[in-house]
Amino acid sequence: DAGITQSPRHKVTETGTPVTLRCHQTENHRYMYWYRQDPGHGLRLIHYSYGVKDTDKGEVSDGYSVSRSKTEDFLLTLESATSSQTSVYFCAISEGTGNSGANVLTFGAGSRLTVL
Amino acid sequence: SQQGEEDPQALSIQEGENATMNCSYKTSINNLQWYRQNSGRGLVHLILIRSNEREKHSGRLRVTLDTSKKSSSLLITASRAADTASYFCATDARRDDKIIFGKGTRLHILP
Repeated sequence: DAGITQSPRHKVTETGTPVTLRCHQTENHRYMYWYRQDPGHGLRLIHYSYGVKDTDKGEVSDGYSVSRSKTEDFLLTLESATSSQTSVYFCAISEGTGNSGANVLTFGAGSRLTVL
Repeated sequence: SQQGEEDPQALSIQEGENATMNCSYKTSINNLQWYRQNSGRGLVHLILIRSNEREKHSGRLRVTLDTSKKSSSLLITASRAADTASYFCATDARRDDKIIFGKGTRLHILP
């Protein structure tokens, strides 16, 4: 997935521990998104960012926080991981042109998180 | 709740046949997109249709959009084994930059 990398790709952790997933892009795109994918639910938007320090909630933001201190990095943090947060997490980026344009997403390879 | 809902949830067809998937959504949109996901991989953008368009083609793909019914369809003609994947529709609402996905259709092409 050229231009976008997620780390770690796999992580196993215990309930109650903090976890941070990192999304890094080299495309200088304005928009960055975090989704989770679970069987039977498709992809659900957690948080997204429309610029440095500009973020907003998605459909399933409870239990998650994000930060974007520079254009290339978008961090997703689980302050205290729970078993219900076991999932595959995808980051996506978009050049975006605002509400009048089209945000076509390029996805990372995903991060598989298991919370025991 | 999710904006888009694909139908059917799963579809199996013979190689060479056409595959049709449908997507319904709830609120007014700027654009509707279709993505493909091969097993265990990230999603890949296939095609975008704007709210003022009714039909769009790209290779073997044909997308239609009916804003009055809040629905879209994706047709894949002359299916191939490599088309086996999950397909998702995604919408962006007029009011913000959120891009919301449906639950997807799992397409299986039988040899």
